[in-house]
Amino acid sequence: AQKVTQVQTEISVVEKEDVTLDCVYETRDTTYYLFWYKQPPSGELVFLIRRNSFDEQNEISGRYSWNFQKSTSSFNFTITASQVVDSAVYFCALSEAIKETSGSRLTFGEGTQLTVNP
Amino acid sequence: DVKVTQSSRYLVKRTGEKVFLECVQDMDHENMFWYRQDPGLGLRLIYFSYDVKMKEKGDIPEGYSVSREKKERFSLILESASTNQTSMYLCASRRQGRRYEQYFGPGTRLTVT
Repeated sequence: AQKVTQVQTEISVVEKEDVTLDCVYETRDTTYYLFWYKQPPSGELVFLIRRNSFDEQNEISGRYSWNFQKSTSSFNFTITASQVVDSAVYFCALSEAIKETSGSRLTFGEGTQLTVNP
Repeated sequence: DVKVTQSSRYLVKRTGEKVFLECVQDMDHENMFWYRQDPGLGLRLIYFSYDVKMKEKGDIPEGYSVSREKKERFSLILESASTNQTSMYLCASRRQGRRYEQYFGPGTRLTVT
């Protein structure tokens, strides 16, 4: 069975600090996909990024960056120069194929609550 | 833009009532999902459907059932609501294929008294 572990339950930083959210996963699949989602206080989860298991290039999008390391089964998320608007719950997820059907599903971590204080 | 809508943002029901939570998506997605979210437990999959009239149990299906008669609509049914089903319920949809991201609705906060 697949598993996603988000190391930090809660993180609190002061604005402009850099912060890293750690995600470790377990899977037996050789091809898989990893995702990060953001859930702001309004409640609706917003997709941030997808990575497939064959692409270990790090990705940067503005103040956000992601470090995927297959050797350590980790997919960490860094926010540079954090802002109050970054305060949210962040979820890491792993896509799993359901071999008996044509479907697939996501396995989510428990989430990391990030609070950025002014 | 993909739009996933849920019938209610807040719902209060009594123990033993039958409860229907509706989810509609407008992007012709094949796959739809129902999750519940509880503090410290993340998102737990209740049921999902990978096509019309198809359904699969997730991790916590007990006490729930689902219906998918049309591609755009996926209903979650609590046959006899209980207080331990008080939770945030999230619906999501996605194109067929595990490479694709899920799009989520705003959630329904259900309180069972």
